Amino acid sequence: SQTIHQWPATLVQPVGSPLSLECTVEGTSNPNLYWYRQAAGRGLQLLFYSVGIGQISSEVPQNLSASRPQDRQFILSSKKLLLSDSGFYLCAWSIRGVVNTGELFFGEGSRLTVL
Amino acid sequence: AQTVTQSQPEMSVQEAETVTLSCTYDTSESDYYLFWYKQPPSRQMILVIRQEAYKQQNATENRFSVNFQKAAKSFSLKISDSQLGDAAMYFCAKANAGGTSYGKLTFGQGTILTVHP
Repeated sequence: SQTIHQWPATLVQPVGSPLSLECTVEGTSNPNLYWYRQAAGRGLQLLFYSVGIGQISSEVPQNLSASRPQDRQFILSSKKLLLSDSGFYLCAWSIRGVVNTGELFFGEGSRLTVL
Repeated sequence: AQTVTQSQPEMSVQEAETVTLSCTYDTSESDYYLFWYKQPPSRQMILVIRQEAYKQQNATENRFSVNFQKAAKSFSLKISDSQLGDAAMYFCAKANAGGTSYGKLTFGQGTILTVHP
């Protein structure tokens, strides 16, 4: 069966420090991968998605970047965190291709607090 | 930009009763998917139910059912025989069908459901 893991689960970082959140998927190949952010009291906002190694699309301009160095690995990064980067970050994957039903499978989430 | 709106920030229901969560959306597409996701406190978000826009029949999954009104762009979730484990944040979401749109969901703001014993 497929599983998705992301870490760290909780992170408290000072303003201006770097960030690295990692996500890995097991039990499937060639997934589409996504990073969503959930701000307090708001819905989920798509930040990045990837349809293959090295292929990253950004949905909103921001202080963050994403990379996909391996087929089932997705990394969210920042060189210098801002207060506004605080939030709950969710990694997700979906099946690629015509069998895709639109369903996303989510990781456990990473709560980032920037002080 | 496409929007998904959940007008109920919070809802509550007595155990064993029925509750309906509302969702409306904006789209110019004729083919798309609609979802309800459940996010329990400190737990993974999971899919509750899915509706394909080209299907007129409302989706049903055990105690969960939807009322899909395509013309009105409305997609409500009905939870019957509510259980304590149903307490969670519920998100309505929409995805366009086709190509790289798969998986690019637009989410509503969420509805916090409280279940009282």
